[in-house]
Amino acid sequence: EDKVVQSPLSLVVHEGDTVTLNCSYEVTNFRSLLWYKQEKKAPTFLFMLTSSGIEKKSGRLSSILDKKELFSILNITATQTGDSAVYLCAVQKTSYDKVIFGPGTSLSVIP
Amino acid sequence: DARVTQTPRHKVTEMGQEVTMRCQPILGHNTVFWYRQTMMQGLELLAYFRNRAPLDDSGMPKDRFSAEMPDATLATLKIQPSEPRDSAVYFCASGITGAGYNSPLHFGNGTRLTVT
Repeated sequence: EDKVVQSPLSLVVHEGDTVTLNCSYEVTNFRSLLWYKQEKKAPTFLFMLTSSGIEKKSGRLSSILDKKELFSILNITATQTGDSAVYLCAVQKTSYDKVIFGPGTSLSVIP
Repeated sequence: DARVTQTPRHKVTEMGQEVTMRCQPILGHNTVFWYRQTMMQGLELLAYFRNRAPLDDSGMPKDRFSAEMPDATLATLKIQPSEPRDSAVYFCASGITGAGYNSPLHFGNGTRLTVT
């Protein structure tokens, strides 16, 4: 059965800290891995990763994929209170482009 | 700014009543996903369509849930009869998928359903 696992499930850090969120997966017919940020409403797209070893970067956020070891990490440097959210990892399969989500990591950044 | 539109935003209903949730995908997107989100289960995939044809609805309780796309601008998710355990936030997401395409999903703001 396809599975997406995230760790930790929750995390509390102080402003300015650097955090690393983990996502591992076991799926057949892998196509891509996606990261989303969810505050109070809809998940918003952060990154899509399809190739191993190529870092994607946007401001203080970056992510990388390892297709051999079947995991991805999302790094946030110099965290701010606005980074407080649930971070969701999802995997898209090649078979009918099905997209399945992990349970999310709830990040709280305190001043 | 193109966005996925869901209605209603909130719905409170009594057990046994029919509930219909609607989704307008982003124009030009050919794939629509329905997810249900609860604290316990996270985001569960219920069903999805490409070019209005259902691809997979194995995540949906078939006896009470149904999903359709009457046209390219409207997807519906219906629960009949509703039960308290259906209380959740229901998200619709759209994207472009298929051979040669690989776009991320864009989510609507969800319908928060409470069944009493």
